[in-house]
Amino acid sequence: EDQVTQSPEALRLQEGESSSLNCSYTVSGLRGLFWYRQDPGKGPEFLFTLYSAGEEKEKERLKATLTKKESFLHITAPKPEDSATYLCAVCSWGKLQFGAGTQVVVTP
Amino acid sequence: DTEVTQTPKHLVMGMTNKKSLKCEQHMGHRAMYWYKQKAKKPPELMFVYSYEKLSINESVPSRFSPECPNSSLLNLHLHALQPEDSALYLCASSQVLAGSSYNEQFFGPGTRLTVL
Repeated sequence: EDQVTQSPEALRLQEGESSSLNCSYTVSGLRGLFWYRQDPGKGPEFLFTLYSAGEEKEKERLKATLTKKESFLHITAPKPEDSATYLCAVCSWGKLQFGAGTQVVVTP
Repeated sequence: DTEVTQTPKHLVMGMTNKKSLKCEQHMGHRAMYWYKQKAKKPPELMFVYSYEKLSINESVPSRFSPECPNSSLLNLHLHALQPEDSALYLCASSQVLAGSSYNEQFFGPGTRLTVL
């Protein structure tokens, strides 16, 4: 059965304190791994797509990497506006399967 | 234009009411989706439309009825809902790739539904 597991569930960071979020997956027929950011009461905002092991994508303070079994979202020198829930999802057999998310709080 | 719009933003309805949620995109995407999201949980897929045809129904109760009138619009008709159906309803769209797989999905802001 396909599974997507994110860790940690919650992360509290000081402004400027870099960290990484993990997304491990077991799926058959992987057709992409996606990272989203979601603010409370809003729709998920697309961040990155990764298709193959070794691939990396960057956007501002965020960098996503992919191996055959997991993906990492690195947050470098975070700011309070990076506070959000970060969701990873895998596309398998035409469907997006989401992990439970990591809630990130960045304090000044 | 990378925007998916949803109306209304908020909806309160009784269990005997009939209402509809609307979603629109102008990105030329040919796949559209409905998701349900409860508080502190990830989105759960409800329906997928590909080229205006229903391709996936995740065993959703018949009190939820989707409709795709054209390639830009997606509706979700609601009838005889239960209080436990209260949630954030999200619409998304994506390109359709070769081999019936899908590209990244872009989400709308959602409709916050409360069933009394």
